[in-house]
Amino acid sequence: GESVGLHLPTLSVQEGDNSIINCAYSNSASDYFIWYKQESGKGPQFIIDIRSNMDKRQGQRVTVLLNKTVKHLSLQIAATQPGDSAVYFCAENMGSGGGADGLTFGKGTHLIIQP
Amino acid sequence: GAGVSQSPSNKVTEKGKDVELRCDPISGHTALYWYRQSLGQGLEFLIYFQGNSAPDKSGLPSDRFSAERTGGSVSTLTIQRTQQEDSAVYLCASSLRGEETQYFGPGTRLLVL
Repeated sequence: GESVGLHLPTLSVQEGDNSIINCAYSNSASDYFIWYKQESGKGPQFIIDIRSNMDKRQGQRVTVLLNKTVKHLSLQIAATQPGDSAVYFCAENMGSGGGADGLTFGKGTHLIIQP
Repeated sequence: GAGVSQSPSNKVTEKGKDVELRCDPISGHTALYWYRQSLGQGLEFLIYFQGNSAPDKSGLPSDRFSAERTGGSVSTLTIQRTQQEDSAVYLCASSLRGEETQYFGPGTRLLVL
């Protein structure tokens, strides 16, 4: 089946800098995308989501951008902090209202915040 | 409870033994999902429940894996005759009916020796 993938497995940024984590998806039927943060030894934690009828959504220090033309999703984290160090996963869902197929996850990007 | 809970948090078992993993979803969440995460990998979808029924079991990796949900709440994932390749973190998530956002538990770390 089609899959969601990430460009970079590891991203290292200086504390206080902005970071951008990228994700490519191949399923043009996907209409919902979500970013999760997973700290060591914990389950994934919801960060932000976006539907396919939007191209940008902002949260607290995070912004998700969706480019449907090139099937690209990105997560921007502003003014990174040590607590942002984690693995970040993007995921997609083809169905609306929850799906029997669950979410399809990428392999994750490990974000490292340098002091 | 406030979030999804899973038990046990860690499980070490011998090859060939059966294990049961438990998931308590967020109260009121009708949808429940099981995923498997191997070391350094993404999440692999296993099975989904809406209420007590599982419309799609095709994600289960073999017939040694089964899951049930009773009372529309707690779910158990059973792995029979465990193999070393079953070693992974098993994650459970739940969501409100009609909502895609899934909320995850802390996972059960299974090690098969």
